[in-house]
Amino acid sequence: DVKVTQSSRYLVKRTGEKVFLECVQDMDHENMFWYRQDPGLGLRLIYFSYDVKMKEKGDIPEGYSVSREKKERFSLILESASTNQTSMYLCASSQVYGYTFGSGTRLTVV
Amino acid sequence: DQQVKQNSPSLSVQEGRISILNCDYTNSMFDYFLWYKKYPAEGPTFLISISSIKDKNEDGRFTVFLNKSAKHLSLHIVPSQPGDSAVYFCAARQVHSGNTPLVFGKGTRLSVIA
Repeated sequence: DVKVTQSSRYLVKRTGEKVFLECVQDMDHENMFWYRQDPGLGLRLIYFSYDVKMKEKGDIPEGYSVSREKKERFSLILESASTNQTSMYLCASSQVYGYTFGSGTRLTVV
Repeated sequence: DQQVKQNSPSLSVQEGRISILNCDYTNSMFDYFLWYKKYPAEGPTFLISISSIKDKNEDGRFTVFLNKSAKHLSLHIVPSQPGDSAVYFCAARQVHSGNTPLVFGKGTRLSVIA
């Protein structure tokens, strides 16, 4: 089975901190994605990548950046964390049709 | 503009009965549809999918129906079990138009009451 691993299950950060969320997949998938999930808003796409060093903005990229230096790793960066970035962050990878998601990182910004 | 809509935020069903979760989409270019199930504090897990060349796909207790003319799909769970209580997300994508991301609905929270 494809495994997508997110480095932290729970994180608490202070406003203004730079935050790194790491995601690693072990099945050589080309495509990787970052979503955030908020009550009543569903899953919203932040950034995605179809290849190493390639990135595309999703629906809500403001306040975020990403890095994909290696095929298996896709990092989400909050340049200066704010309280409205408190959310569940979900990483996913795919080859063709569906996605495999990681377990998520619950980020709280105080 | 929401391309995938799940108009019922929540649904409550008795154990053993049928659960029907609905999803509508607006983009006629979507040709592949999926349902994901999500428990609290976990990532979504794939449940079932359907290609636009079909109108029904079945996997055990789960069946997905696709009505292309109405741009509507539904997930049927029969019989419903307490362990089915979760948030269900409908998703769609354009597979044949290139590598486009999945578009998700906002989810429906299913509660199966024992």
